Amino acid sequence: QKEVEQNSGPLSVPEGAIASLNCTYSDRGSQSFFWYRQYSGKSPELIMFIYSNGDKEDGRFTAQLNKASQYVSLLIRDSQPSDSATYLCAVNPNYGGSQGNLIFGKGTKLSVKP
Amino acid sequence: DTEVTQTPKHLVMGMTNKKSLKCEQHMGHRAMYWYKQKAKKPPELMFVYSYEKLSINESVPSRFSPECPNSSLLNLHLHALQPEDSALYLCASSQEGGGWGNEQFFGPGTRLTVL
Repeated sequence: QKEVEQNSGPLSVPEGAIASLNCTYSDRGSQSFFWYRQYSGKSPELIMFIYSNGDKEDGRFTAQLNKASQYVSLLIRDSQPSDSATYLCAVNPNYGGSQGNLIFGKGTKLSVKP
Repeated sequence: DTEVTQTPKHLVMGMTNKKSLKCEQHMGHRAMYWYKQKAKKPPELMFVYSYEKLSINESVPSRFSPECPNSSLLNLHLHALQPEDSALYLCASSQEGGGWGNEQFFGPGTRLTVL
């Protein structure tokens, strides 16, 4: 059974702090990793994707991937109250020409306090 | 343009009704997906269409019937649903069905209530 694990939270951080969200996955052959942000009552919004080991930065967001440890994380710098949402980690366990089905973690609820 | 549109936004139906959900994308993506999401749960994959052909059916009951009329459109036909089918139904699309470039973009969803 391929699994993606996330701490459900809630994770509470003060405004301006760094929020660190973590995700582990069970399928060592996984190649593609995604972070989605979902506000209450809305649909998931893709905010980061990463395919290679290391860090990938986009604005205040940094995705980190360590395939040896089967671990992917999302750092949000200078957290804002508008970042309060559920963050879903998703993994594509297949590669090249396959079906692209994503396996989602259960999500981490982030609360940024003013 | 990274927009996936879905209609209707909200739908209330009885258990004997037949209704359809519609999804459209104009990003030239060749893979389209239906997901079901219950409150406080992650999205659950229902169907995948790749190049207009059904490639994955995640053992979804036959009261849900997908259709892909062309590469931009995806429908989900609903018939004889149960109250437990009430959920947010999400459509997504991606450039390809797997490998690189398979970032999935979600539409706003249809909130379905079955009475």
